[in-house]
Amino acid sequence: DGGITQSPKYLFRKEGQNVTLSCEQNLNHDAMYWYRQDPGQGLRLIYYSQIVNDFQKGDIAEGYSVSREKKESFPLTVTSAQKNPTAFYLCASSISSRPTYEQYFGPGTRLTVT
Amino acid sequence: KQEVTQIPAALSVPEGENLVLNCSFTDSAIYNLQWFRQDPGKGLTSLLLIQSSQREQTSGRLNASLDKSSGRSTLYIAASQPGDSATYLCAQRGVKNQGGKLIFGQGTELSVKP
Repeated sequence: DGGITQSPKYLFRKEGQNVTLSCEQNLNHDAMYWYRQDPGQGLRLIYYSQIVNDFQKGDIAEGYSVSREKKESFPLTVTSAQKNPTAFYLCASSISSRPTYEQYFGPGTRLTVT
Repeated sequence: KQEVTQIPAALSVPEGENLVLNCSFTDSAIYNLQWFRQDPGKGLTSLLLIQSSQREQTSGRLNASLDKSSGRSTLYIAASQPGDSATYLCAQRGVKNQGGKLIFGQGTELSVKP
């Protein structure tokens, strides 16, 4: 069954700790994306990757880092430099970053930092 | 700045009613517009994708239209059911959008009462 998995579903961390969110897809998609969703706001792009070993900053990349060592995997690290990390994080993928293709989303990870 | 707006923010209707959700965007140079459904605490489910060359797309009881000249899209839901209760998000992919990113509206929270 093809799809996007994100783990864990809920994550709790203390302030000052780095935390890594997992995103895996078995759709053979080249492009992958990380978005952040806050209450009452639309999703905002953090990072994206068009191909393995390449990634680009999105609109709100400060305090985050990513890697793309494998086509299937695009983990997101929330560092202690992120001033307001508590949010719902959504990973997405697309066959290609070419704009005609649909994006598919994972189930999300809710991160709470206290 | 590219913006996507959804009005109303919340809508409550009785079961069986036909309804229209609205989405407006400031940048008419778009590749496509995508409608999503989000259940509480869940990821996004893609409903319909309308390419810029299309006027509408249909899937079951859902019909989405696109009018680039006026910067508007609508999602029509026929014979609404309680199971349709969710937040509906629209997102545009503009010519200027880096890496194929989507720009999201804030969503319309729909409640269908039995």
